[in-house]
Amino acid sequence: DQQVKQNSPSLSVQEGRISILNCDYTNSMFDYFLWYKKYPAEGPTFLISISSIKDKNEDGRFTVFLNKSAKHLSLHIVPSQPGDSAVYFCAARSTTSGTYKYIFGTGTRLKVLA
Amino acid sequence: DTAVSQTPKYLVTQMGNDKSIKCEQNLGHDTMYWYKQDSKKFLKIMFSYNNKELIINETVPNRFSPKSPDKAHLNLHINSLELGDSAVYFCASSQGTGGLTYEQYFGPGTRLTVT
Repeated sequence: DQQVKQNSPSLSVQEGRISILNCDYTNSMFDYFLWYKKYPAEGPTFLISISSIKDKNEDGRFTVFLNKSAKHLSLHIVPSQPGDSAVYFCAARSTTSGTYKYIFGTGTRLKVLA
Repeated sequence: DTAVSQTPKYLVTQMGNDKSIKCEQNLGHDTMYWYKQDSKKFLKIMFSYNNKELIINETVPNRFSPKSPDKAHLNLHINSLELGDSAVYFCASSQGTGGLTYEQYFGPGTRLTVT
């Protein structure tokens, strides 16, 4: 039961252009969404998040957009840099009886070409 | 000055053996987690401890037993290892249980290979 899906396993983008990573989810009760970035041989590191009551959150070169009606979120990186090459995971928060749990997607490998 | 550390980084063992993975965080967080990333790259929560108390226990076989001797440590012991246990195991920590603060800090992972 894959509640958070990242349908593109990989993406290549030229340096300086925009990278758009997508994430779809099935549970309308998710109330918080996060993006993590992962380099090889390291654990994921938190990048940016968005609450379900918002449709956009921006932090420097990174912007996350949320479309609740479509159950879709995307991460935009502008301009893309070679150091952005990594695997990006989206995650969604579910709450059951006061317990919070984070459901992760399978990741998208971004390669930024110099 | 590593925030979340795990040992060992790699673990190769035979079916039927018992092994442990250790995790320590020096961030002063009160919640720690174990995640499993399988061959399909799903990163799934296994356990979560808050102040040494188990708060999340996903449908994990009882061959897996987490132990939290204090807030800074969460170890994972696995009995009678099976081929399907081969995966990368990530430890993580957060301040709070994911309600008001949601950001988790992950360790580098332990790649377990069962032969």
